[in-house]
Amino acid sequence: GDSVTQMEGPVTLSEEAFLTINCTYTATGYPSLFWYVQYPGEGLQLLLKATKADDKGSNKGFEATYRKETTSFHLEKGSVQVSDSAVYFCALSDRGGSNYKLTFGKGTLLTVNP
Amino acid sequence: DGGITQSPKYLFRKEGQNVTLSCEQNLNHDAMYWYRQDPGQGLRLIYYSQIVNDFQKGDIAEGYSVSREKKESFPLTVTSAQKNPTAFYLCASRGLAGVYSTDTQYFGPGTRLTVL
Repeated sequence: GDSVTQMEGPVTLSEEAFLTINCTYTATGYPSLFWYVQYPGEGLQLLLKATKADDKGSNKGFEATYRKETTSFHLEKGSVQVSDSAVYFCALSDRGGSNYKLTFGKGTLLTVNP
Repeated sequence: DGGITQSPKYLFRKEGQNVTLSCEQNLNHDAMYWYRQDPGQGLRLIYYSQIVNDFQKGDIAEGYSVSREKKESFPLTVTSAQKNPTAFYLCASRGLAGVYSTDTQYFGPGTRLTVL
């Protein structure tokens, strides 16, 4: 079945550092890929998405590129802020094969220190 | 404002009691989902519903039940048969057409259930 593997945390960075969180996936079809962010005690917010190979999703300075050849969707940000501290989830949707079910990675906790 | 509401935010129950978690959306979405989140783990799908009066089991449906009598509402009941019910429960919805992308799920704020 489908699966998502993302970099285990926790990740601790200083403000203005460069961020990469790795995410790779296994899927039988052509999934859509997502990054969600969860702040403490809250639900998930969609951060960005990409629906086909070579698409780049971007939002709030975060970027991720859908790489079919390496089955990856790594999250990057050039300069993190304290307010970026949260848990980040990589996910895929099979787009209809199983009623758009989302398969999630286990999440990566990011802490940004001032 | 359109969105998804879950209530209550915190819920405490004694072991052996059934408890129902509320999920309401005013996004006019057709599909709704329930997920369970445990510390250090990703989200796991409990149940989902594509249309009113129809729903399917997800990966961990045992010990849970749902109903979908109205488009905007998808309550989840955690029964006494669920062996380890303490967790964070998240509801999500997805639009099938129109303004919202069809493959994107939008989440509510969650309910933290603690069984004592």
